[in-house]
Amino acid sequence: GESVGLHLPTLSVQEGDNSIINCAYSNSASDYFIWYKQESGKGPQFIIDIRSNMDKRQGQRVTVLLNKTVKHLSLQIAATQPGDSAVYFCAEAQAGTALIFGKGTTLSVSS
Amino acid sequence: DSGVTQTPKHLITATGQRVTLRCSPRSGDLSVYWYQQSLDQGLQFLIQYYNGEERAKGNILERFSAQQFPDLHSELNLSSLELGDSALYFCASSVDGATGNTIYFGEGSWLTVV
Repeated sequence: GESVGLHLPTLSVQEGDNSIINCAYSNSASDYFIWYKQESGKGPQFIIDIRSNMDKRQGQRVTVLLNKTVKHLSLQIAATQPGDSAVYFCAEAQAGTALIFGKGTTLSVSS
Repeated sequence: DSGVTQTPKHLITATGQRVTLRCSPRSGDLSVYWYQQSLDQGLQFLIQYYNGEERAKGNILERFSAQQFPDLHSELNLSSLELGDSALYFCASSVDGATGNTIYFGEGSWLTVV
């Protein structure tokens, strides 16, 4: 079946470094992608989204890149802070379907 | 705070029992979603409602059912509970359920079946 997955289950970085979290998706019909952050004991928190007609979208300290050719999505976090430590999920959807989540990458930031 | 409210936050019950999880969506949101999160399965989509009507169904077991009421709150009913049903159940809401509208999640209901 089709699924959204992440390349690495864990990522460890130093405070101040830039973090890149990757995600591969398999459904070429997906036209909407979202990144969520989930802290321990809390619900997923929306970070940033991107539609398939875009290659890049920037938010505050975060950038999402979409490469439809290789079906790859990435989340870049600039100047990573200890408060960024969490599990990050990418999710995909196409018109008329609910969000399908990948398994998540755990980001650990050490100071 | 996402604005999505879920109760109870924690629940412990025995196998074979039935429980009801409740969700109040964000003010103004018409669509409600239910997701199950377990350690080995990640976030699994269960079901979606829009303005009281079922809109999409995912990996929801026949032992589970849900509904959305006229005041837009939703309930997820889990019956004949098994140990494997122990998980974190999330409710989420969005404005109208259309693809591209941000989906906001509640804090979840922890269900432990013993």
